Amino acid sequence: QKEVEQNSGPLSVPEGAIASLNCTYSDRGSQSFFWYRQYSGKSPELIMSIYSNGDKEDGRFTAQLNKASQYVSLLIRDSQPSDSATYLCASDVGGADGLTFGKGTHLIIQP
Amino acid sequence: GAVVSQHPSRVICKSGTSVKIECRSLDFQATTMFWYRQFPKQSLMLMATSNEGSKATYEQGVEKDKFLINHASLTLSTLTVTSAHPEDSSFYICSARGPGQGYEQYFGPGTRLTVT
Repeated sequence: QKEVEQNSGPLSVPEGAIASLNCTYSDRGSQSFFWYRQYSGKSPELIMSIYSNGDKEDGRFTAQLNKASQYVSLLIRDSQPSDSATYLCASDVGGADGLTFGKGTHLIIQP
Repeated sequence: GAVVSQHPSRVICKSGTSVKIECRSLDFQATTMFWYRQFPKQSLMLMATSNEGSKATYEQGVEKDKFLINHASLTLSTLTVTSAHPEDSSFYICSARGPGQGYEQYFGPGTRLTVT
């Protein structure tokens, strides 16, 4: 059974610091990995996708993938209060199945 | 690009009635769309995968006769909650697989259903 695990938090980070969010997955066949941000009462918004080992940077966000360790992470630099949300990690084995989501990590950026 | 819309955004209905929710990909064609449900403070739960021109694939435990899915075109999928009951009250969100080579899914804004 495909599983994606995340620490539910809350993870509290001071404004301006780096927020580090982690995720592990069980299915070694997973090929694609995604980070979504979900504000309370809203639908998820795609913020990063990563397909190969290493780092991928987009603005203040860096996604990291280590397939040998089955580990995905998201770093948010210069954290802002507007980054406070639940961050969902998801994987897709590339077939017709929907994404497998983790339960999400609740991030709080303290002003 | 890759915008997905949902309609209605919020609906209140009486127990026993049926409600239809529309999901549209606005600027791309989506052969595969997904329907999720999310209860308060819980994670997204995949209900079904909708493929254009074929029958939807439902996840275990989801009643296909209660949650009717139709994907009649490359830009439109609908979910009909039949004979709704208060326990069906939830946040229903659709997503569409994006137009690129990857498997990103783009989510609609969601529909909050309240059954009284």
